[in-house]
Amino acid sequence: AQSVAQPEDQVNVAEGNPLTVKCTYSVSGNPYLFWYVQYPNRGLQFLLKYITGDNLVKGSYGFEAEFNKSQTSFHLKKPSALVSDSALYFCAVRDPYRSNDYKLSFGAGTTVTVRA
Amino acid sequence: NAGVTQTPKFRILKIGQSMTLQCTQDMNHNYMYWYRQDPGMGLKLIYYSVGAGITDKGEVPNGYNVSRSTTEDFPLRLELAAPSQTSVYFCASRGQNQPQHFGDGTRLSIL
Repeated sequence: AQSVAQPEDQVNVAEGNPLTVKCTYSVSGNPYLFWYVQYPNRGLQFLLKYITGDNLVKGSYGFEAEFNKSQTSFHLKKPSALVSDSALYFCAVRDPYRSNDYKLSFGAGTTVTVRA
Repeated sequence: NAGVTQTPKFRILKIGQSMTLQCTQDMNHNYMYWYRQDPGMGLKLIYYSVGAGITDKGEVPNGYNVSRSTTEDFPLRLELAAPSQTSVYFCASRGQNQPQHFGDGTRLSIL
């Protein structure tokens, strides 16, 4: 079975400081990993994904994530956080070696608050 | 290009009533999904479809039904509404080798 854990319910940082949102995963093979962001009263928006290749993935709005196979992690990072980055962030995983059902498993979400 | 459109945005139902949550996409995506989002629980997959005429159960299908008669539309049906179905419902679609695109959700309260 595939699953994702986001160990922190909330992350609070000051504007201009680095932001990290943690994610660990569990799949039987090599994973497809995703980060989504959700602003109030909106649907999820895609930020970035890891399929294969370079372990450091760059995405939208200055975000990046690092795939670490030995630690089964895919942490989201931003070097300098903005107040507008305050939102709910979801990590998701798919096991591409399962049958062709194309389902994602989402973490519970991490609320990020960036204070001015 | 509207993307994924969900209607209604808000709805209050009485216990035992039925309703259909509408979802339509204009991106010609084969894959479509219904999720529910509850506080602190992330998103749980209710049903999904890999193409017109094909649907399958997700993690939490009980109390719901779906149909996929066209590529564009993927309605979600609640037959006998229960308080446990109070949630925010999201529809998503995806093309081949693409990430999922989400609608803005339907906020449903059952009293």
